[in-house]
Amino acid sequence: AQKVTQAQTEISVVEKEDVTLDCVYETRDTTYYLFWYKQPPSGELVFLIRRNSFDEQNEISGRYSWNFQKSTSSFNFTITASQVVDSAVYFCALSESQGGSEKLVFGKGTKLTVNP
Amino acid sequence: DVKVTQSSRYLVKRTGEKVFLECVQDMDHENMFWYRQDPGLGLRLIYFSYDVKMKEKGDIPEGYSVSREKKERFSLILESASTNQTSMYLCASNRVASYEQYFGPGTRLTVT
Repeated sequence: AQKVTQAQTEISVVEKEDVTLDCVYETRDTTYYLFWYKQPPSGELVFLIRRNSFDEQNEISGRYSWNFQKSTSSFNFTITASQVVDSAVYFCALSESQGGSEKLVFGKGTKLTVNP
Repeated sequence: DVKVTQSSRYLVKRTGEKVFLECVQDMDHENMFWYRQDPGLGLRLIYFSYDVKMKEKGDIPEGYSVSREKKERFSLILESASTNQTSMYLCASNRVASYEQYFGPGTRLTVT
């Protein structure tokens, strides 16, 4: 069965620090998708990125970057020069192949607090 | 702009009451999901629907039922609310063959 582990429950940094959120996954599928979502204090999960298992190129979007390594089954997320607005709970998720449904398996989330 | 809406942001109910949580999406998505979110436990899938009137149990369906009479609307029903159902409830939807889910703002339910 698919599994996603986010070992860091909570992280606290000071503004402008770089921070990396770890995500390790388990799957027997050869084709799968990985996701990161952000949940700000308002509660709504916001999609950040989707990565196909065949695409191991790192992705950068502004201050956000993602490092996908199939060899270690990891999909880590780095925020450069963090800001207070980055404070949120971040979830990593993996596509679930069972039964042909388009479901996701979520990690338990990492709560990031960026202090001014 | 894609939109998933939930009927209430905050809800307070008494033990034993029947509770309806409504979710509506305007993206013509086939799949809809109900999750509950609890501290330290992340998101857990309660029920999933892949078509009108079709449903599938998730990881924690006990104490819940669902209804999907129209494609855009997916309701979560607590037949007899209990205090251990106090939680944040999140609705999501996606299109067939797309795993990316769009989420509503959540309903924080308190059962007293």
